[in-house]
Amino acid sequence: QVQLVESGGGVVQPGGSLRLSCATSGFTFKSHAMDWVRQAPGKGLEWVALISSDGYYENYPDSVRGRFIISRDNSKNTVYLQMNSLIPEDTAVYYCARGNDYGDYGVFDSWGQGTPLTVSS
Amino acid sequence: DIHMTQSPSSLSAAVGDRVTITCRASQDIGNWLAWYQQKPGKAPELLIYAASRLLSGVPSRFSGSGSGREFTLTISALQPEDFATFYCQQANSFPFTFGPGTKVDIK
Repeated sequence: QVQLVESGGGVVQPGGSLRLSCATSGFTFKSHAMDWVRQAPGKGLEWVALISSDGYYENYPDSVRGRFIISRDNSKNTVYLQMNSLIPEDTAVYYCARGNDYGDYGVFDSWGQGTPLTVSS
Repeated sequence: DIHMTQSPSSLSAAVGDRVTITCRASQDIGNWLAWYQQKPGKAPELLIYAASRLLSGVPSRFSGSGSGREFTLTISALQPEDFATFYCQQANSFPFTFGPGTKVDIK
């Protein structure tokens, strides 16, 4: 079955950096776009990054563009999120999500359990 | 950015009730709309995509309709496991955006 397992969350000081990982199994990783979606405590969902199946296309919302970088290693079935210049507003649970089987960007048909990030001094 | 709204923000319903949630987009998104269910402490789960297509394995009591700017999610007969928060999300254009959520709890 499809599995996505995030890791790498923690507590970071403002201005710091952190890299999240999402290890996947149970499907042909190289055939799917992958995304990160976050949820601040008690709040709704916010999409933060997309990477195409081949890794050549990325997109971000303005809230993280220039600070976050998504990448993937198709040989390891893993997607990453490098987060730099972190601010308290980045505090959230970060979910890894799989793009659907039809190659549609923005349809997230499987999700990991999430990894929490706290940005605080 | 496309702004998504949902109504109501919360509702109380009984097992067996028919429940309808409305989602509106700030501009035409065609049928590029998805619905997700999130239970407390859990990740969201996709229910419906392309406005009305049920993901394989999702119970048929869930249905979606609409196009353009107005969409609905209907649960035909609420079950105990359906109590959760429901989010709509547009996939028409970047940045992808979610509605604020509708919390469905037990009456």
